[in-house]
Amino acid sequence: QKEVEQDPGPLSVPEGAIVSLNCTYSNSAFQYFMWYRQYSRKGPELLMYTYSSGNKEDGRFTAQVDKSSKYISLFIRDSQPSDSATYLCAMIGGSNYKLTFGKGTLLTVNP
Amino acid sequence: DTGVSQNPRHKITKRGQNVTFRCDPISEHNRLYWYRQTLGQGPEFLTYFQNEAQLEKSRLLSDRFSAERPKGSFSTLEIQRTEQGDSAMYLCASSSPQGGRGASEQFFGPGTRLTVL
Repeated sequence: QKEVEQDPGPLSVPEGAIVSLNCTYSNSAFQYFMWYRQYSRKGPELLMYTYSSGNKEDGRFTAQVDKSSKYISLFIRDSQPSDSATYLCAMIGGSNYKLTFGKGTLLTVNP
Repeated sequence: DTGVSQNPRHKITKRGQNVTFRCDPISEHNRLYWYRQTLGQGPEFLTYFQNEAQLEKSRLLSDRFSAERPKGSFSTLEIQRTEQGDSAMYLCASSSPQGGRGASEQFFGPGTRLTVL
């Protein structure tokens, strides 16, 4: 079993839809949780960063962490075609430096 | 542009040749990371520098791979005797322990895409 599991999709939604992306993890040592967005053939771009369980909102994006269930989510409201990209969840544990990524979910938002 | 830069952006080489990639981190970031990403997968950790010291190497980093960060500034990743399985995107990231978030917030460069024929 991989430390971080993420459904690779692909996920296709109409413009304006609410998108829900999820990851589960097995390592209880993970303390920091991130979501990165990666456009085709580009480097990952940090979208959201959370430390504790609960919700964090930034514009149309909401990150949710449930440490008791080892489950994290990213919600995108009013999705736009420009949101079409691969979304990667990532986590850091006790080492405090090594990111462990999910496989990424490919999202397409159709106009 | 004050982000992480990587050169070259693309490299095509023949099996058995040596290649070297360069990463320039965000200035004042003392931590630098190398990751490798293959098609359809998330990035995988390769190695980590704090200033000029290489503090950890993943078991993915075989003896053919070597990374350096002289003077704690830019870093190079060299692959000797390349194999077709080395074809991947090589990503560099940097971070700073400042701002109360520890080493967690890593900023990535655009990557170097390596194709080994």
